[in-house]
Amino acid sequence: EDQVTQSPEALRLQEGESSSLNCSYTVSGLRGLFWYRQDPGKGPEFLFTLYSAGEEKEKERLKATLTKKESFLHITAPKPEDSATYLCAVQVHAGGTSYGKLTFGQGTILTVHP
Amino acid sequence: NAGVTQTPKFRVLKTGQSMTLLCAQDMNHEYMYWYRQDPGMGLRLIHYSVGEGTTAKGEVPDGYNVSRLKKQNFLLGLESAAPSQTSVYFCASKSSRLAGTGATQYFGPGTRLTVL
Repeated sequence: EDQVTQSPEALRLQEGESSSLNCSYTVSGLRGLFWYRQDPGKGPEFLFTLYSAGEEKEKERLKATLTKKESFLHITAPKPEDSATYLCAVQVHAGGTSYGKLTFGQGTILTVHP
Repeated sequence: NAGVTQTPKFRVLKTGQSMTLLCAQDMNHEYMYWYRQDPGMGLRLIHYSVGEGTTAKGEVPDGYNVSRLKKQNFLLGLESAAPSQTSVYFCASKSSRLAGTGATQYFGPGTRLTVL
């Protein structure tokens, strides 16, 4: 069974205090790993897709990296507007029948204090 | 483009009542999905569709039915609502392409459902 575990469950940072969120996964064959941001009362908003170990992607203060067992979302010098829940999800190879289905982790609630 | 839209935004039902949630997308996506999100459980797939007229069960399909009569719309029905179905429901859509932006699911704003 495919499993995705995110840690920590919640993270409180001071503005400017860099840190990382972790997403570890156990899947039969990874097709892609996705990071989403979710603000309270809203739907998940796509951030990044990573396809192979060693791949990195950046967007503003966020940088996502991927290994064979986990992904990290690094947040550099965060601002209060970065406060949100960050979701990790995996898409697996399934002989052409996965139909893009995603398995999600439980998310990390990030709070950045001014 | 509006992307993915969901109606209604909020709904309160009594146990045993029925209702239909509507999802619409204007991106000409082939695949559509219904998820529920509960505290501590993450997003779980209820049903999905890979094209007009086709539907399939996801991880937690019991108590729900779906229909995809038009490519742009995906309906989620609750025939006899139960308190366990109190949740936030999200619809998503995706291109049938496997790579690049085609691999990404785009989500709607959600429907918050309370069953008393």
